[in-house]
Amino acid sequence: NAGVTQTPKFQVLKTGQSMTLQCAQDMNHNSMYWYRQDPGMGLRLIYYSASEGTTDKGEVPNGYNVSRLNKREFSLRLESAAPSQTSVYFCASSELPPAHYNEQFFGPGTRLTVL
Amino acid sequence: DQQVKQNSPSLSVQEGRISILNCDYTNSMFDYFLWYKKYPAEGPTFLISISSIKDKNEDGRFTVFLNKSAKHLSLHIVPSQPGDSAVYFCASKSSGDKLTFGTGTRLAVRP
Repeated sequence: NAGVTQTPKFQVLKTGQSMTLQCAQDMNHNSMYWYRQDPGMGLRLIYYSASEGTTDKGEVPNGYNVSRLNKREFSLRLESAAPSQTSVYFCASSELPPAHYNEQFFGPGTRLTVL
Repeated sequence: DQQVKQNSPSLSVQEGRISILNCDYTNSMFDYFLWYKKYPAEGPTFLISISSIKDKNEDGRFTVFLNKSAKHLSLHIVPSQPGDSAVYFCASKSSGDKLTFGTGTRLAVRP
């Protein structure tokens, strides 16, 4: 039971390059999330998927796209990376949708640097 | 507009003493509060939660206090241990809405 896994762990991109961050959970959770963590900013929600087949914007969605591939997997894509997207990205999942009262389980993070 | 504020970026405590981490919020609709703990190079892990119908929730060495009138919650760790050294995030939500996280407090427990 691995919980929430993310790949890659580290990535360096040049401005304008694209990449996809992968996330998978094996807890049969319905909801999945993508956050970014920046110094002094806490965790900010980029996109979330309340259930398989749905995705919604969070607090900071600009420059990102997501795909809920199936119940287990939720990917985050940067189409044209910018230095402002240098951050640590966390994927999370929860049993119930975000409107409900339940904890979220986080992956180990992807540290992304955009030069 | 930061709705959840952790005004102390860092805290240092002697092993065995009490650690008190504070969190203030501005949204009076928040009714569920959580604390997460994060070690370096790992994702945050859930620690303890409290709903607005309570003013205290205890789990072993960890106790969360909620003061709704002051819009303030605190996490008490007693006794503090070196393994408690981590960044602690508070998070809040209201019914039907998503979690809002604070900026985190780095706790260092000195042996």
